[in-house]
Amino acid sequence: EVQLLESGGGLVQPGGSLRLSCATSGFTFSSCAMNWVRQAPGKGLEWVSGISGSGGSTNYADSVKGRFVISRDNSKNTLFLQMNSLRAEDTAVYYCAKTPSSHYYFDYWGQGTLVTVSS
Amino acid sequence: EIVMTQSPATLSVSPGERATLSCRASQSVSSNLAWYQQKPGQAPRLLIYGTFTRATGIPASFSGSGSGTEFTLTISSLQSEDFAVYYCQQYNNWPLTFGGGTKVEIK
Repeated sequence: EVQLLESGGGLVQPGGSLRLSCATSGFTFSSCAMNWVRQAPGKGLEWVSGISGSGGSTNYADSVKGRFVISRDNSKNTLFLQMNSLRAEDTAVYYCAKTPSSHYYFDYWGQGTLVTVSS
Repeated sequence: EIVMTQSPATLSVSPGERATLSCRASQSVSSNLAWYQQKPGQAPRLLIYGTFTRATGIPASFSGSGSGTEFTLTISSLQSEDFAVYYCQQYNNWPLTFGGGTKVEIK
């Protein structure tokens, strides 16, 4: 059974940093691209970042480029999102989502972790 | 960036009726279009990928069609568990983008 479990969310002040983790199991992690998708309270879905299975290729939404860094540890089947220079508009539930192939749609999602940026 | 526009924003349907949801892309995404269902307090669930292909475990009452810039998700006979918000997503170009969602509510 595929499982994705996010952690690391919480309350942070504007300008602060936070590191999210997504522990995975039930599939060959190193063979699958992984992503972060967020959802602001009461709003729709926004793709944030994606990383290839090897970690050699990364992509970012313009809204987070230069502030967020996606990475992965294939030895620990874990995905990360380092979030720096956080803004109020980054407040959202952050989901990690698995990509099944070279096509970047999302076949499995975690339950999400809430990040609140507020003073 | 490819902008995905979903319509209508809200669709009121009676149980057992057919629901037709639309998704339009600002430029061609070929057949690289997926649909997701999200219920309150839950993560999204993949319904359809590649415009037409149902994900594992998705009933045949859900079907996708379209190509290029115009796509449709059809739910042939709405069950109580189908009332939710539905999102389309293109994966033809970076950045990946979602539509704003269509809420299917009970009439």
